Amino acid sequence: NAGVTQTPKFQVLKTGQSMTLQCAQDMNHNSMYWYRQDPGMGLRLIYYSASEGTTDKGEVPNGYNVSRLNKREFSLRLESAAPSQTSVYFCASTKTRGQRANYGYTFGSGTRLTVV
Amino acid sequence: EDQVTQSPEALRLQEGESSSLNCSYTVSGLRGLFWYRQDPGKGPEFLFTLYSAGEEKEKERLKATLTKKESFLHITAPKPEDSATYLCAVQGNTGNQFYFGTGTSLTVIP
Repeated sequence: NAGVTQTPKFQVLKTGQSMTLQCAQDMNHNSMYWYRQDPGMGLRLIYYSASEGTTDKGEVPNGYNVSRLNKREFSLRLESAAPSQTSVYFCASTKTRGQRANYGYTFGSGTRLTVV
Repeated sequence: EDQVTQSPEALRLQEGESSSLNCSYTVSGLRGLFWYRQDPGKGPEFLFTLYSAGEEKEKERLKATLTKKESFLHITAPKPEDSATYLCAVQGNTGNQFYFGTGTSLTVIP
């Protein structure tokens, strides 16, 4: 049971460098999400993909781009990293259930990113 | 705007000392309220979903309840392995987004 797999687990970038965080799920979920978690701020949504072929901005999208490569994979790209993007990034997925609330997310184990 | 507030921020309990964590929310049409457990260095782990006021869910020493304004996570006779951060999240009718609280850090002392 792999669930949601994120790579890499740790990364240090210099200001201005770019990188892509990878996420894959094997649960046949339709919806996928990228969150960042900062001390005292809680989890904040960056981007999400409600279904394959669609992406939408969340609460804090500036400085990020995403690609829903197929139903399994959802990547997050930092084009020009800034120290303010130092955070822990979580990918999550869920199956939807019509008009009722989802079952809840399944989260990956996170990517700890430091931008110096 | 949908909002979630959790209290207390941190809670220290002796093993066996029962208590409750609070999650207050404002949302335009609640589609679901979710509780997660997060261990240090790991992603949140789903615990419960509650859909309507009056609903209750139980799992081992944990029991979640829901009213129109708040949810409680009751911990009965906790053990040290219950130590973790507990997160609350809500989903409203305005979109696909979940709003998370900042969590309650629970420490259970043997």
